[in-house]
Amino acid sequence: EAQVTQNPRYLITVTGKKLTVTCSQNMNHEYMSWYRQDPGLGLRQIYYSMNVEVTDKGDVPEGYKVSRKEKRNFPLILESPSPNQTSLYFCASSLSGWGFLDSPLHFGNGTRLTVT
Amino acid sequence: RKEVEQDPGPFNVPEGATVAFNCTYSNSASQSFFWYRQDCRKEPKLLMSVYSSGNEDGRFTAQLNRASQYISLLIRDSKLSDSATYLCVVNGGSSNTGKLIFGQGTTLQVKP
Repeated sequence: EAQVTQNPRYLITVTGKKLTVTCSQNMNHEYMSWYRQDPGLGLRQIYYSMNVEVTDKGDVPEGYKVSRKEKRNFPLILESPSPNQTSLYFCASSLSGWGFLDSPLHFGNGTRLTVT
Repeated sequence: RKEVEQDPGPFNVPEGATVAFNCTYSNSASQSFFWYRQDCRKEPKLLMSVYSSGNEDGRFTAQLNRASQYISLLIRDSKLSDSATYLCVVNGGSSNTGKLIFGQGTTLQVKP
């Protein structure tokens, strides 16, 4: 089954403890992206990757890192999480990041992160 | 001004009603436009892409007005199952390939 898989689904952690949220897709998609969703603010793009070894900042990259060493995986790393990073996170992939009209985004199920 | 703006609602309508949502965008260089649907904090799913000539998919019609920089979504004969949040999505334009900007969403509640 074609899908985007995020893990974990729920995570509660403490300030400063490094964590990684994994994202994997099995559709051979070139484009992958991370979003966070907060009430009243909608989805905001954190980082995206047009292809392997190519990553770019989105609108809210501060406090996050990503890597794209292989096509299928795009982990999101929080080196020193803070309470303002408490949010619902979505990973998404697309066949191509050029326009999206013929290659819509497929989202993972989301990761609900709480930083205390 | 936000890059993509939507009326958050909620829109409360009876079954069978016709409802329309608008969304404005600020970047005139944007080329791709979409409506996504999101159910109760689940993952967003593509409802329809919005083409320059407008497009229809069953009860749903999407329109693009480049001159006024807005897109619209019309839902006819609303069903209870249409209750969801509808997200307007716009790409960042040629200088921001790979960026997709989401509106904050419009919530629709269809009542029996």
